[in-house]
Amino acid sequence: GQQLNQSPQSMFIQEGEDVSMNCTSSSIFNTWLWYKQDPGEGPVLLIALYKAGELTSNGRLTAQFGITRKDSFLNISASIPSDVGIYFCAGQPRETSYDKVIFGPGTSLSVIP
Amino acid sequence: GAVVSQHPSRVICKSGTSVKIECRSLDFQATTMFWYRQFPKQSLMLMATSNEGSKATYEQGVEKDKFLINHASLTLSTLTVTSAHPEDSSFYICSARRPTGWTEAFFGQGTRLTVV
Repeated sequence: GQQLNQSPQSMFIQEGEDVSMNCTSSSIFNTWLWYKQDPGEGPVLLIALYKAGELTSNGRLTAQFGITRKDSFLNISASIPSDVGIYFCAGQPRETSYDKVIFGPGTSLSVIP
Repeated sequence: GAVVSQHPSRVICKSGTSVKIECRSLDFQATTMFWYRQFPKQSLMLMATSNEGSKATYEQGVEKDKFLINHASLTLSTLTVTSAHPEDSSFYICSARRPTGWTEAFFGQGTRLTVV
């Protein structure tokens, strides 16, 4: 079935370092979305990707839609303490007959000041 | 950006009672809303897709009679957890999608349900 995998599961970095995380799937996705979730809150959309190969930036964040349409990565440059949180990739599987967005397991990011 | 409001943010109820959670899109008409459930330190699991004016589409393993979804207007969807039990305790999150052409789904703040 449709399933997303994210790596790494968790990461601890020094403030100022760059961060890279990725998301893979065994099936093709039409859309890739990256969200950040703080404890006790709903996820907040960071970046949306619609076309294979698309590279999109949002401030210090950059994400790309993989050419195979089965993967995506998110980079965060010059991390700061407020980047701490859970980062989820999400996607819209190609084969679904109705609107549906499924989520990966998340990457937990900790930033050490 | 879009704003989706969820209410209540926290609720504690007795086992056997029913609880209703509201999800409102505040600045756009949402033809589609989604309901997710999230256990501690886990990802969001899609429960159902709610379409305005029609029956919700439930994911496999989600009991339709247990989790009643009503999407009576373009700005409001409700999730009712019927005859709640302690194992229903969880974080429930809704999201609303813009009309055709947009695939971003914006999320509410979530509802922490505790059944005692």
